Amino acid sequence: RKEVEQDPGPFNVPEGATVAFNCTYSNSASQSFFWYRQDCRKEPKLLMSVYSSGNEDGRFTAQLNRASQYISLLIRDSKLSDSATYLCVVNRTTSGTYKYIFGTGTRLKVLA
Amino acid sequence: DTGVSQDPRHKITKRGQNVTFRCDPISEHNRLYWYRQTLGQGPEFLTYFQNEAQLEKSRLLSDRFSAERPKGSFSTLEIQRTEQGDSAMYLCASSPGGQNNQPQHFGDGTRLSIL
Repeated sequence: RKEVEQDPGPFNVPEGATVAFNCTYSNSASQSFFWYRQDCRKEPKLLMSVYSSGNEDGRFTAQLNRASQYISLLIRDSKLSDSATYLCVVNRTTSGTYKYIFGTGTRLKVLA
Repeated sequence: DTGVSQDPRHKITKRGQNVTFRCDPISEHNRLYWYRQTLGQGPEFLTYFQNEAQLEKSRLLSDRFSAERPKGSFSTLEIQRTEQGDSAMYLCASSPGGQNNQPQHFGDGTRLSIL
């Protein structure tokens, strides 16, 4: 089992729809959480950090559930330009090293 | 531009050749990471530096791979005797030292193709 798991999708949604992705992590020592966006053949770019109380950035809302060890990303009023792969990233500290573990990503296609 | 930069952007080489990639992190970032990414997968951790010290290496990093960060600034990743399975995107990322809740920032990556 992978340490960080995501549904690879693709999620095909019409413009204007609301879509949600979940990501589960298995290491309870995980400390920080992030969502990245990656366009085809490009580098990952930080979308948002995920805070314990949940946080929102425009149309994007991230939630963290430490008890169940999952994080979520909600996209409201989806745009064609939201089409991309969304990577869930977990950071943990082990013996003084800071490691980032990536999920395989969830592909989103927003359709006109 | 004060982001992470990688060079070259693309590298095409024949099997068996050696290749070297360079990464220049964001200047105030102490931590530097190398990843490998293949189609349909998330980035896979290869190795990690805190300043000039290489603190962790993945089992993925066979003895054909070596990375350095001699002065705690830029880093190089060398692959010796390349194999077709080495074809991938090689990504470099950096993050600040100190608190562990800081996100990483990625360079554009080096796309390696082995003929």
